[in-house]
Amino acid sequence: EVQLVQSGAEVKKPGESLKISCKASGFSFINYWIGWVRQMPGRGLEWMGIIYRSDSNTRYSPSFQGQVTISADRTISTAYLRWSSLQASDTAMYYCVRVYYYDVDANMGGPFDIWGPGTMVTVSS
Amino acid sequence: QSALTQPPSASGSPGQSVTISCTGTSSDVGSYNYVSWYQQQPGKAPKLMIYEVSKRPSGVPDRFSGSKSGNTASLTVSGLQADDEADYYCSSYAVNTISWGFGTGTKVTVL
Repeated sequence: EVQLVQSGAEVKKPGESLKISCKASGFSFINYWIGWVRQMPGRGLEWMGIIYRSDSNTRYSPSFQGQVTISADRTISTAYLRWSSLQASDTAMYYCVRVYYYDVDANMGGPFDIWGPGTMVTVSS
Repeated sequence: QSALTQPPSASGSPGQSVTISCTGTSSDVGSYNYVSWYQQQPGKAPKLMIYEVSKRPSGVPDRFSGSKSGNTASLTVSGLQADDEADYYCSSYAVNTISWGFGTGTKVTVL
């Protein structure tokens, strides 16, 4: 079965660091871009960024550039989202997604066809 | 990329149709056909329902259809069923900013 398996819910204090994961299953990780989408409580969806195969192939939304780091380990088909210093405003559900197709040179940006179940991150003192 | 504009709510009785609009700009919705629609049922992850304006992924009922005119895309759900009650989000890829944006979301209620 094609799926994305995410790590479990996290409860952290402001200032702490955190890294959540997303493991691809049932498809070839190295053939797809993997992205992250944030959903704050009671709010809409926000695209954060994407990664392809390795840390050197990343794209970030301007809203999240410098706020988070997206990385990947293709040997275990896993993508990561990392914060160095969490804030209360980072409290949200984070979904990893598979990008159906993407080619910036060909001006092609496809849909997010597979979604993980989400990882809830709660930041509170 | 600014959020795409959707009406906050829409409703219809079982068997009826409901249409949701998604308004962007000539830089996103109006530029290419990279418009998608996602259904998010309560407590669940979003699910892709429509991509490239009007294409349906395998397994999505043909009661769901999409279209676009200028800078506005639309999702129509025909033959409403109780299970269609959910939040719906549009999304568009913007070639000029190399980024994806989402709509503000529409809550569909089946009366």
